[in-house]
Formats: sequence, C-alpha cells, structure tokens
Amino acid sequence: QQQVKQSPQSLIVQKGGISIINCAYENTAFDYFPWYQQFPGKGPALLIAIRPDVSEKKEGRFTISFNKSAKQFSLHIMDSQPGDSATYFCAASIRNSGGSNYKLTFGKGTLLTVNP
Amino acid sequence: DVKVTQSSRYLVKRTGEKVFLECVQDMDHENMFWYRQDPGLGLRLIYFSYDVKMKEKGDIPEGYSVSREKKERFSLILESASTNQTSMYLCASSFGSGRGPFSNEQFFGPGTRLTVL
Repeated sequence: QQQVKQSPQSLIVQKGGISIINCAYENTAFDYFPWYQQFPGKGPALLIAIRPDVSEKKEGRFTISFNKSAKQFSLHIMDSQPGDSATYFCAASIRNSGGSNYKLTFGKGTLLTVNP
Repeated sequence: DVKVTQSSRYLVKRTGEKVFLECVQDMDHENMFWYRQDPGLGLRLIYFSYDVKMKEKGDIPEGYSVSREKKERFSLILESASTNQTSMYLCASSFGSGRGPFSNEQFFGPGTRLTVL
C-alpha cells in the first residue's frame, strides 16, 4: 500500500519555466511534509518542509502548496534553472508521542530535467 | 556541517556472502536509518534506530539485520546476500524528539551501490 503517491515520474521544463510536482497522501494523521532533492551521485537533502497548519510556504524560488481537504501537496519551482535538474522526493510523517516526526514515508520520486 | 559517511561507494559481492555496510555520523544524532533506493520505487526504509542498541523494522526488513553498538555508528547486515538485494543503500541520521517544528531533517550519506552476483 503506497501511502504517498507522487507524480509525474519525470518532468522536462525549459529554463525560466515553472516546475510543478504533485503528491497525494491517504493517512490523515500525517502532519509533516518535507521535500528532498537528490543530485546524481549524492544522497537526498532537505529542500523545504511544511506542516498542515499553513497552506503555503515559500523559500526563494521553491514553494510548497498544501491542500488539507484534498490531502494533496505540491512543489513549485519558479524560474527553473538547469542547476535544479535533480530527483525530487516528497515525504510525509506522523508525529510520535515524543513530539518527533522521525519516520518518513517517501513518494517514488520525480526526475526533473531543466533544459537550457 | 553534518557529515554522514558510508564505508564504501561501490561494493560487489557474491550470492550467499555475508555483507556489512557501515555508516557513521558526526552530529550526535539519536536517530539513524537505512534505506534502499531502486529506480521507480523511491526510498524504502529497511531499519531504523532511535538509540544505541535499539532498532525497529521499517517497511522491507526481510533479509537484513542491523547493529548499533555506538551512537555514531549504524551497520546494515545482509546475512546471505541475494541478487535481489542489488541496490543503492542510503544511510541517514536525525535528531531525536522535539528541537523545533522542523528538527526532523534527515541527513543522508552518499550511498553505497551494492551489486550481488
């Protein structure tokens, strides 16, 4: 049972365009939604994260939009650059009794290619 | 800078061999994780540990075991390697409970690409 569904599997965008990656989840107990970015030959690294008490979070060119009622969240990359070419993973987590969201459930990933 | 290091970048083993993958972190993190990454399947959690000598099964623990004798070190063990365990293995670490709303960031190592022949 896949708890976090990510789409599309791959995405090609022209430089300067907007990249949009979508994720949907089923478990309403999830309360922490990070996005990780992975470059070839490297491990994933946290890009941006959101909790469901807000509908949007922006950091530079990267924005998470969160729709609690639809159980969906998405990553928007504005003014996409060739250096943004990477694999992007969404994830979700449930806070445990100790207040920690340490266990993540990842989507299957999206390979983004930004053409110059 | 947080550093998570993995003992090998590439490893080739034969079917039936016992394989040890080592991971070390230098940030005094309580939590450590082992994932495998396969094309089209994303990151799947094998085992994690929230304290020394403590471990919990992840989503795909079959065929694997782990050891955490020291806080900074987490080992993944393939008792008898099989060809379907050929994969990229990623180690990660994070702080334990509540150091702020986004303190759960997991820091990943560069991965070990294991090929079982």
